[in-house]
Parts: sequence; C-alpha cells; structure tokens
Amino acid sequence: GAVVSQHPSWVICKSGTSVKIECRSLDFQATTMFWYRQFPKQSLMLMATSNEGSKATYEQGVEKDKFLINHASLTLSTLTVTSAHPEDSSFYICSARAAGTDGAEAFFGQGTRLTVV
Amino acid sequence: AQSVTQPDIHITVSEGASLELRCNYSYGATPYLFWYVQSPGQGLQLLLKYFSGDTLVQGIKGFEAEFKRSQSSFNLRKPSVHWSDAAEYFCAVGARAGTASKLTFGTGTRLQVTL
Repeated sequence: GAVVSQHPSWVICKSGTSVKIECRSLDFQATTMFWYRQFPKQSLMLMATSNEGSKATYEQGVEKDKFLINHASLTLSTLTVTSAHPEDSSFYICSARAAGTDGAEAFFGQGTRLTVV
Repeated sequence: AQSVTQPDIHITVSEGASLELRCNYSYGATPYLFWYVQSPGQGLQLLLKYFSGDTLVQGIKGFEAEFKRSQSSFNLRKPSVHWSDAAEYFCAVGARAGTASKLTFGTGTRLQVTL
C-alpha cells in the first residue's frame, strides 16, 4: 500500500516551453501533497505544499507563477514548470500524505528528472 | 523552525562492517523523525520512523535507529553492511499533526561500500 506514482520519470524540453509533472497516489487519498526540488548531490528542498481543492502554499523564494501547482483531486497533483529555462533543470520529487493520518508521514514518488535544453 | 544536521557528507565502510550514520535535529518539542534512502536517480524509500514509544526503532533492510532526546539525535545503525546498501541517506524531521506537517531534510550522507 501507500504507493505514489510520478510521471514522467524523465523529460527533456526546449527552453521556453512548459512541462507538466503528475503525482498520483495510487491506493490512498492524499489530502496534502508536497513538491520538492533536488539539485545534484544535494538535499531535497521543499517548493510548495498543496491541499486538495485549495491554492498551494509556496516556500519563500519559489516563484508561484513559474511553478504552477494544481491539486484538483484527492489522488492527483500536478506541477507545471512554465517557460522552462536551463536553470530549471533538476530532479523534482513529490510526496503525498494520506487523509486521516496523524503526523508528518508522507510517501514519495520516484522523481522526475527535468532537463531543459 | 525545525532543522536537521547530518555531519557526515560521505562515509565509506567495508562490506560486513557495522555502520552508524549521524543525525541531529532541532525542534521545539518531540518531533517525528525519519530516515530515507535514495538510490541514484530514484525517489526516496522510507527506512524507518519514530513517532513515540520505544526509542529504538527497527526498520527495513536490517536498519535501526535510536531516538535520544537528551542529545537531540536519531542515529541510524546497521550491524553488517551489504554492498547493496550503497546509496544516499537522508534524515528528516517533521512537525506533529495540526501543523503544516512539512518534512525538513538533512543534507544527506553518501554511503560507499567497499568489497
């Protein structure tokens, strides 16, 4: 149980285009989903927290107009990198917290490697 | 604000040797504590977690960790390391329910296993 699936696993896009990354909770309902960014050989940096049916809460320094997050259902959240540039190339990981659970436990997707050329 | 420190960036051990990865946290109350493992290009897999109760917690793959409140530590241990344990290990602290429940990660420790 508690499987989170991210799609795609990797994507290459041209500079200036937009890319959408999906995060799905396959066997549970996720009231809260988190989006992280990880640079090579570095830790995970939280970008934003999204709750189903409401606007995402972005961490300081994260451009909300560039990284659009939608959490329209209890099993799906999407991250859209708009007008991508090479500096947006990174590893993006989502995690999901199950509805009704206590505490901070969350389950992670396998990540999406974005390369902007 | 919560924070996590993993003092060792890189550790090398021989296969079969014991392992201890250090983790210190800063949090105003008793936190939720986690250890995750990440293989190259992959997401994070939960090794173990501490919420309450017994301070020595057992996880998957033969790992264990001990919560020491007096030292604000949650070190990860394994008595005998296998070559497949080579990976990046992250300690994380999370707030209790009723708050944002965000996880804060340490900078990670890269484990290399020599044969």
